[in-house]
Amino acid sequence: GQQVMQIPQYQHVQEGEDFTTYCNSSTTLSNIQWYKQRPGGHPVFLIQLVKSGEVKKQKRLTFQFGEAKKNSSLHITATQTTDVGTYFCAGRDNYGQNFVFGPGTRLSVLP
Amino acid sequence: DTGVSQDPRHKITKRGQNVTFRCDPISEHNRLYWYRQTLGQGPEFLTYFQNEAQLEKSRLLSDRFSAERPKGSFSTLEIQRTEQGDSAMYLCASSFGQNNEKLFFGSGTQLSVL
Repeated sequence: GQQVMQIPQYQHVQEGEDFTTYCNSSTTLSNIQWYKQRPGGHPVFLIQLVKSGEVKKQKRLTFQFGEAKKNSSLHITATQTTDVGTYFCAGRDNYGQNFVFGPGTRLSVLP
Repeated sequence: DTGVSQDPRHKITKRGQNVTFRCDPISEHNRLYWYRQTLGQGPEFLTYFQNEAQLEKSRLLSDRFSAERPKGSFSTLEIQRTEQGDSAMYLCASSFGQNNEKLFFGSGTQLSVL
């Protein structure tokens, strides 16, 4: 079955430093989504990428979908303490209807 | 509050007991998902409804788990003969549409099996 992996598992950064998390799928995806889960909270939708090579930006966050539609990345520029949380990618392949989530990258930002 | 609501927020039960959780999706959403999440892991897909039809169920899901969505509105997830390994956060999510679908999650039901 479809598997989604993320690296790194944890990332500790100093406030102001950049952060990147990478997502890889075992199968080609029809689309990929990113979610953020704050400690004690539930996943909250950030963005969806559909096209091969697509790049989208939300303020300090940059999302990219790979050319082969099997990988994606999330980059945060100049992290802030409000960026703390776990970032999940979730992929849907061409056959299934459900979204398969990666294990997440937990981001800690030291002030 | 017009978001996804789940009840109860917490459930403590003894091994072998049956439990039932409820999810009320956002009213205009036709799709409803159940996920399970353990500490430090991503949400694990359990099952999915479009309106009242259960269209997909995880092959990893035990026969002790069953879900319903009568009339395509709220949904219930029942776990029979609970085991300690069932302890987890059970998340419900709803969505509308297919091509630009985004999942809206509820706050979840935290199950502890003693």
